[in-house]
Amino acid sequence: DTEVTQTPKHLVMGMTNKKSLKCEQHMGHRAMYWYKQKAKKPPELMFVYSYEKLSINESVPSRFSPECPNSSLLNLHLHALQPEDSALYLCASSQEGVAWRRAYNEQFFGPGTRLTVL
Amino acid sequence: GENVEQHPSTLSVQEGDSAVIKCTYSDSASNYFPWYKQELGKRPQLIIDIRSNVGEKKDQRIAVTLNKTAKHFSLHITETQPEDSAVYFCAASPGTALIFGKGTTLSVSS
Repeated sequence: DTEVTQTPKHLVMGMTNKKSLKCEQHMGHRAMYWYKQKAKKPPELMFVYSYEKLSINESVPSRFSPECPNSSLLNLHLHALQPEDSALYLCASSQEGVAWRRAYNEQFFGPGTRLTVL
Repeated sequence: GENVEQHPSTLSVQEGDSAVIKCTYSDSASNYFPWYKQELGKRPQLIIDIRSNVGEKKDQRIAVTLNKTAKHFSLHITETQPEDSAVYFCAASPGTALIFGKGTTLSVSS
């Protein structure tokens, strides 16, 4: 399996809702990433997990809460979001964890979850 | 931190022409430079990448060059086809994560 999968594909939520985005890969990758992408903009890094430990948090508001239950799964828990949080949320994975050396490896992106906050 | 500048923001070419997109980076520690193609509503797809110990890499109609001294790298697409129309992002990695350029919208007209 050489894919990163994400569910759901689309999500509409109100500002008081709690929801979760899910990401899964079975390529044995030990680094996983969450990116946020607004229309016509590049992906913006949110979080990096390396060997199931959070290694980078790019000053993301606490209404976004990542979780890495195991080496294949990555979740993003959402609570009390704002309309400006509406975006495409992309998950990615790469072969080696980034924390312990200056490794550079191809990142494989999932198809994304299109999130709309009303 | 790393900063990546990408030019041009839009590029229109005729089918069969060549297209060149240029990026500069600021962090001399960056050692990996991928290029992604993103079609409307789809995920970014890696089309080619280059590491800092290599000056040039080619894959069929696509080539990337890297000048470490000047801190710039370029994407070259030859014999463009309408299906090459998409947004192209360059990125640089100082070893932690990818820092993307702002993207180039390439339009290839037949």
